[in-house]
Amino acid sequence: KQEVTQIPAALSVPEGENLVLNCSFTDSAIYNLQWFRQDPGKGLTSLLLIQSSQREQTSGRLNASLDKSSGRSTLYIAASQPGDSATYLCAVFFQGAQKLVFGQGTRLTINP
Amino acid sequence: NAGVTQTPKFRVLKTGQSMTLLCAQDMNHEYMYWYRQDPGMGLRLIHYSVGEGTTAKGEVPDGYNVSRLKKQNFLLGLESAAPSQTSVYFCASSYGSLGGNQPQHFGDGTRLSIL
Repeated sequence: KQEVTQIPAALSVPEGENLVLNCSFTDSAIYNLQWFRQDPGKGLTSLLLIQSSQREQTSGRLNASLDKSSGRSTLYIAASQPGDSATYLCAVFFQGAQKLVFGQGTRLTINP
Repeated sequence: NAGVTQTPKFRVLKTGQSMTLLCAQDMNHEYMYWYRQDPGMGLRLIHYSVGEGTTAKGEVPDGYNVSRLKKQNFLLGLESAAPSQTSVYFCASSYGSLGGNQPQHFGDGTRLSIL
């Protein structure tokens, strides 16, 4: 079964710290992996999309890496700010099932 | 600069009632999707469309119907609402297929309660 797991479910850190969010998936045959941000009561906003042929993508203070062989992706947030507080979701498009599978997210709180 | 717009934002229904959720996008996207988000279950795909006049079943299609009569609109219908359909419903759209290099754009959701 193709699954996406995000651990921990919640994370709280002081402002200014660099942090890493984790995403693992059960099948290395993927087309792409996306990281989304979801604010309370809102929809998902796409942050970064990494295609299967890529190793990482960067946008501002965010850097996402992909290691297909180990079934892992990380989202690195530099110099965290209170405005970064949100739930971060990882989604993987699996080749076999032709299906986009979402993780359940990590709820991130940045404390001033 | 609207992106994906969902109406209504909130709704309470009684068991057995019917309703339609509307999704509109102004980005000329071919692909549109309906998801439901439930605690502990993540987002699950209900139905999707790869273009005007087409629809297809997703992971959890039972109890729902959809229509894509115009490219910019994707409607989700509940014919006879059940308490198990209490959820937050999200519409999304994308320029290309999910396996490509184009991200999905999401609406802000419809919070639906079935009593």
